[in-house]
Amino acid sequence: ELKVEQNPLFLSMQEGKNYTIYCNYSTTSDRLYWYRQDPGKSLESLFVLLSNGAVKQEGRLMASLDTKARLSTLHITAAVHDLSATYFCAVEPGSARQLTFGSGTQLTVLP
Amino acid sequence: GAGVSQSPSNKVTEKGKDVELRCDPISGHTALYWYRQSLGQGLEFLIYFQGNSAPDKSGLPSDRFSAERTGGSVSTLTIQRTQQEDSAVYLCASSLVGSAEQYFGPGTRLTVT
Repeated sequence: ELKVEQNPLFLSMQEGKNYTIYCNYSTTSDRLYWYRQDPGKSLESLFVLLSNGAVKQEGRLMASLDTKARLSTLHITAAVHDLSATYFCAVEPGSARQLTFGSGTQLTVLP
Repeated sequence: GAGVSQSPSNKVTEKGKDVELRCDPISGHTALYWYRQSLGQGLEFLIYFQGNSAPDKSGLPSDRFSAERTGGSVSTLTIQRTQQEDSAVYLCASSLVGSAEQYFGPGTRLTVT
């Protein structure tokens, strides 16, 4: 059974600081996704990582994938309040198309 | 263009009643997924439809849950004899054939009283 673990589960950080969210998974996969969810809203796709070594950046967020270590990171640079949300990683195992999600990281950026 | 739509947005029902939740995928998307998001269990896969293939029902939690997809487009998730533990947000997603990215709808919040 595929397990996806995120840490930390809760993250409170000051504006302007940097931090990294980690996503570990338990079985071989080359497909990993990051989503953002605002309170009461649905999931917004942030990044799609499809190969070992993939790195994608959008604004203050950068995601990377190491399939050998079964690890993805979401790095936040110079956080701003607008980044406050819950961030989920999700893994697509093998040939199956359904996603297995991590527990989410609730990020709060303080002024 | 139009995204994934779901209805109703909120549903309150009494324990033991049946409910139907609807999903309209993005036009042209042949893959459709149902997920459930609850406080205790997080985000869980329920069922996956791909074209005319038999659906992958491996995530359905009990035989009270069923889903169908008519004409390769609209899908309905049915929960029979609802229980309080069925209370959750039910999310639908769709994707293109061969595409990695799933696009999520706004969800239906189900409350079983």
